[in-house]
Amino acid sequence: QQPVQSPQAVILREGEDAVINCSSSKALYSVHWYRQKHGEAPVFLMILLKGGEQKGHDKISASFNEKKQQSSLYLTASQLSYSGTYFCGTEIESNDYKLSFGAGTTVTVRA
Amino acid sequence: SAVISQKPSRDICQRGTSLTIQCQVDSQVTMMFWYRQQPGQSLTLIATANQGSEATYESGFVIDKFPISRPNLTFSTLTVSNMSPEDSSIYLCSVEDGEGTKNIQYFGAGTRLSVL
Repeated sequence: QQPVQSPQAVILREGEDAVINCSSSKALYSVHWYRQKHGEAPVFLMILLKGGEQKGHDKISASFNEKKQQSSLYLTASQLSYSGTYFCGTEIESNDYKLSFGAGTTVTVRA
Repeated sequence: SAVISQKPSRDICQRGTSLTIQCQVDSQVTMMFWYRQQPGQSLTLIATANQGSEATYESGFVIDKFPISRPNLTFSTLTVSNMSPEDSSIYLCSVEDGEGTKNIQYFGAGTRLSVL
């Protein structure tokens, strides 16, 4: 089942922060975050395994609350290069390597 | 991480014809996946292709429409058969190239297909 992402879109000015949420109705083994720019391949950002760890990638970090089956992606001090569509992908407990992707969150960072 | 090449990058086809999309990886990988992405929408898994076994299709996708080959650990093809305008989409392949318990997928740039 497809995870639910929110918000659908967000517009930021350079230097502002944003949070993107991803929730699932199923128990999760892992949450994956990708960013896709128009006409390009989705680019892997980070993976979070169950255990509540928080990961970071430059000024982009994420958390995973396995009790609530929710993950959040934090964009801190946003840069123009952060623009794109962010997708969360969830892998369920059965660990069969298959990902279900959310509908995506379009982030636009303006100067 | 694995580097993935897809061919063609885009194509325009007539209805009723078939198109074969190629996916080449620069290293040996066990698991490859094929996705469909409607413009501006999410990624939907079509099938999982493991070398040495039949592809596993997700609900709503059938082998007669989307036959897949996986002849070795670095290559796979997806054929879109008997195309209709509803098949117009972006088709992406991905490979699993994680570390230990981390199952990470890396994507190719996709094939943008338009069916007239």
